[in-house]
Amino acid sequence: QSVLTQPPSVSAAPGRKVTISCSGSSSNIGNNYVSWYQQFPGTAPKLLIFENNKRPSGFPDRFSGSKSGTSATLDITGLQTGDEADYYCGTWDNSLSAAVFGGGTHLTVL
Amino acid sequence: EVRLLESGGGLTQPGGSLRLSCVASGVTFNNYVMTWVRQAPGKGLEWVSSLSGRGEATYFADSPKGRFTMSRDNSKNTLYLQMNSLRTEDTAVYYCAKGRRVGATLWFDLWGQGTLVTVSS
Repeated sequence: QSVLTQPPSVSAAPGRKVTISCSGSSSNIGNNYVSWYQQFPGTAPKLLIFENNKRPSGFPDRFSGSKSGTSATLDITGLQTGDEADYYCGTWDNSLSAAVFGGGTHLTVL
Repeated sequence: EVRLLESGGGLTQPGGSLRLSCVASGVTFNNYVMTWVRQAPGKGLEWVSSLSGRGEATYFADSPKGRFTMSRDNSKNTLYLQMNSLRTEDTAVYYCAKGRRVGATLWFDLWGQGTLVTVSS
């Protein structure tokens, strides 16, 4: 059971918007920045969002992150078939003194 | 080119040992927290351990604590994970990741390609 809770899967049609949620607690998301990672099958994860809403160079502004209280959200607009991947949220947990991840969300672009 | 390259994975029996290495290139290695993250087959990401830039602070997840040791040789830009008393549940792809820290928060902006560890009799 992951410390951070994500839906196992989401889906939407090409061109549409999808939202992936990440729920935690005051010991993690509530008091720390959230990051998001994109992972394609058989490849290493890649940083997608850091410090809640910042994007590394190379990712388009179709990808955006936000945080409110003990939850975070990843929005992907203008969905493309190439966005089909697994998405993970992550942060630090102050009580555990550990980095924690969500269980991951598989995005299907129908 | 900025990259991380892991090696040392393989097949071992329960109770066995393996030593993973991760060589960094194109980065000022000793400036960064380095981390191991693993992913069991078909499962999600699991943080294993992190080590500060000068090696003065180490953090471990509960599962490998007492069995795994993390170290680094900054003169060789190399990170290590010594894994002892391996269990079948340690079977996973092990990723080396470069960490960035703001306050207590840690995130990972560069990942290696991973090395597969299989623990089986």
